[in-house]
Amino acid sequence: ILNVEQSPQSLHVQEGDSTNFTCSFPSSNFYALHWYRWETAKSPEALFVMTLNGDEKKKGRISATLNTKEGYSYLYIKGSQPEDSATYLCAFPALNYQLIWGAGTKLIIKP
Amino acid sequence: EAQVTQNPRYLITVTGKKLTVTCSQNMNHEYMSWYRQDPGLGLRQIYYSMNVEVTDKGDVPEGYKVSRKEKRNFPLILESPSPNQTSLYFCASGGAHYTDTQYFGPGTRLTVL
Repeated sequence: ILNVEQSPQSLHVQEGDSTNFTCSFPSSNFYALHWYRWETAKSPEALFVMTLNGDEKKKGRISATLNTKEGYSYLYIKGSQPEDSATYLCAFPALNYQLIWGAGTKLIIKP
Repeated sequence: EAQVTQNPRYLITVTGKKLTVTCSQNMNHEYMSWYRQDPGLGLRQIYYSMNVEVTDKGDVPEGYKVSRKEKRNFPLILESPSPNQTSLYFCASGGAHYTDTQYFGPGTRLTVL
């Protein structure tokens, strides 16, 4: 059974501080790793798709890195703002195209 | 406007009364899927479909049926709903490659009494 784990489950961060959290996934049969952002009362929206070991993607103050050999990806947020409050999900496509999702990291930014 | 639509958005029903939640996308996507979201459990895939007439079970298919007769539609059917199917349901669509992004519908909040 494929498993994708995210840690921590939740995170309280002071506005202006930087933070990061982890997604762990199977290191075999790797095709891609997706990050999504899910705001309360909305639907998940794509942030990044990562494919290559050592890949780094950036969108504004949010960036992500990928280590396919050890099976983890980090998401970093620099200078957190209240609008960054959301649940961040990662998803791992399995060989049969089933998407395996982590349970998410809920980020709360304190003003 | 490119979008995934779901109907209804909210539904309260009783145990055993068959219901269908519709999902439609206008982006010509091959891949469509249904998820349920329960507190602390993240998104769990119920069924997915790679193309017309092709459907596969996800993590939690028991108690659900789907069909994919047309590329744009992927309805979720609960033949005999039970209270443990009370949940928030999302439909999503995307390309059929591992690197393709999934686009989510607005969600359907279902309560089974």
